[in-house]
Amino acid sequence: GAGVSQSPSNKVTEKGKDVELRCDPISGHTALYWYRQSLGQGLEFLIYFQGNSAPDKSGLPSDRFSAERTGGSVSTLTIQRTQQEDSAVYLCASTDTGTSTDTQYFGPGTRLTVL
Amino acid sequence: AQSVTQLDSHVSVSEGTPVLLRCNYSSSYSPSLFWYVQHPNKGLQLLLKYTSAATLVKGINGFEAEFKKSETSFHLTKPSAHMSDAAEYFCVQGDSWGKLQFGAGTQVVVTP
Repeated sequence: GAGVSQSPSNKVTEKGKDVELRCDPISGHTALYWYRQSLGQGLEFLIYFQGNSAPDKSGLPSDRFSAERTGGSVSTLTIQRTQQEDSAVYLCASTDTGTSTDTQYFGPGTRLTVL
Repeated sequence: AQSVTQLDSHVSVSEGTPVLLRCNYSSSYSPSLFWYVQHPNKGLQLLLKYTSAATLVKGINGFEAEFKKSETSFHLTKPSAHMSDAAEYFCVQGDSWGKLQFGAGTQVVVTP
């Protein structure tokens, strides 16, 4: 079956521009997570959506970062006024219930390069 | 606060010899622990997970890990390394809502 998909696979942007990254979770999965993988910080949690509940934004590094999840399915991560330190691979994952024992299925990631 | 420590950033093994990747966790409650693998330019793939059902966990591709509460460890092993095992390995801890905290990763190199 279809896994988690992300688009674009690569994004190059200029400092100061806004970018949108998209995640399509596995159909029927209620929980969706965004992570970031960068050379300096490793893999870190950004934000978590569970059903219709308010998202857990505790991992977002600044107010330039925001995310939404429409209709409990597709999610968009938006970075405003990008900075060079935002360069990283942004990963999305989904699980069917969002509990501690769930297996998270990861997408291939979006590689963001800020020039 | 929970944290995950991978004790080796880089491990080099010869093909056919055992692999040991060390991981220590810290948690105030019964943890959910995972090992993920990331091959070059590939996505993260789950190798195995511990969810308190059994302390010895078997995963894919011949990997297994043992949960030792007294040592707060969750080391990953494989009896015989294969060239295809060359990748980066992450020890991961999940919280009650499934948010994952990743270790820094261990790069495994397999030599012929």
